[in-house]
This record gives sequence, structure tokens and C-alpha cells, in this order.
Amino acid sequence: GENVEQHPSTLSVQEGDSAVIKCTYSDSASNYFPWYKQELGKRPQLIIDIRSNVGEKKDQRIAVTLNKTAKHFSLHITETQPEDSAVYFCAPSYNTDKLIFGTGTRLQVFP
Amino acid sequence: NAGVMQNPRHLVRRRGQEARLRCSPMKGHSHVYWYRQLPEEGLKFMVYLQKENIIDESGMPKERFSAEFPKEGPSILRIQQVVRGDSAAYFCASSPTGEGQPQHFGDGTRLSIL
Repeated sequence: GENVEQHPSTLSVQEGDSAVIKCTYSDSASNYFPWYKQELGKRPQLIIDIRSNVGEKKDQRIAVTLNKTAKHFSLHITETQPEDSAVYFCAPSYNTDKLIFGTGTRLQVFP
Repeated sequence: NAGVMQNPRHLVRRRGQEARLRCSPMKGHSHVYWYRQLPEEGLKFMVYLQKENIIDESGMPKERFSAEFPKEGPSILRIQQVVRGDSAAYFCASSPTGEGQPQHFGDGTRLSIL
């Protein structure tokens, strides 16, 4: 089955710094690449997504880059704020059918 | 526009009882997905349904678990004869048409087995 890994598993940054989380997947048929943010005890929230015909997408402080040849995509958060602290999951899929969630990255932003 | 509604938010059952979890998708959404999340882990896909049809149940345990999405009413995830290992957060997500549309999640049901 699909294997999805995230690195790092934990990430601590100072407020204002940038954070980068990488997601590696195994299914070459994947064509939809979302990132979800989950705060403690809350639901996963879609923060950004990209499709396989696009290499990069940006939304204010958040960006996603895709390298389909190497089968990885990355989440970039600039000017981090304490409210960015959460667990982030990548969840590649084929045609947005079942999402295969990664192992998660716990981001802590210190003021 | 109300989001995905799940109830109950918390459910406590004793071993051997039945658990029923409900999910009402967002208005206009006809595709429903169920995921399970164990503590400190990521979400695991369980089942994908459209109205009156199970599209993909490859993540469902073979026994005790079933799901439905009737023509009228919410989607139901049913767990019979619950065991301690069923304790988890169960999340439902919905999308308008499935293909090419992002999934939006409900607040989940936290199931605790005594």
C-alpha cells in the first residue's frame, strides 16, 4: 500500500523564523497533495493543497512545492507565529479519494 | 453554511456494547469519508460512501464495523461488540463530488471504551 512519511517529526522554531516540512510518498498515481493542520483536540483543517499539474502554490505565509519526479512535496511557513503551533499532516491521494495521511509533524513556535 | 456535523462529540461504551456514530455532510456534499485517529497518530482511512453506495471500504476492519449513508439522513458508522482497542477519535469528512474536490472534516467523535 501507499507509504507516506514526513520529516521532521518535531520542529521547534522562534517566532518570525521559517518552517519547512517535507512529505515523501510512494504511490506514483497520486495527483492531489493537501496539507492539514490539527490543533490539540480539534479537527484537521485544510490549509493548502496542490495538484500534480502545478509545481508551487502560495497563500500568504503558506506555500507548497511539489516534486512529482522525486515523489515529495513540502510545506513552507514563513514569519511563523505562536498560533501556527500544531500538528501538520500531509495526505496525498489519487483524485481526492481516500486521503493517506502522513506520520505528522509537531510544530512549536516559541515567542 | 454549516460545516460537517458529527454527533455525539463524546461517546462512552462498555466492552461488548454497540457504538453508533453519526455524520451529516456539508450542504450540497454527497460524498462522505470516515477516518480513525488513535492517540498521537495520524488519521487512517476507513470507508468512502456516496448516497446508498459504499465506494471503498478497504480500510474497514473485516468484523464488527459497518457504515451506511442512506438516501435520507446522516451517514452512520456502527461498531458492534466494542473492545478497548476501538477507543479513538473518529472523524468524518465530506466533499461535493469526490473527484477533484477537497475534503472538509467534522469535529469528530471521541469514543472511549470502559
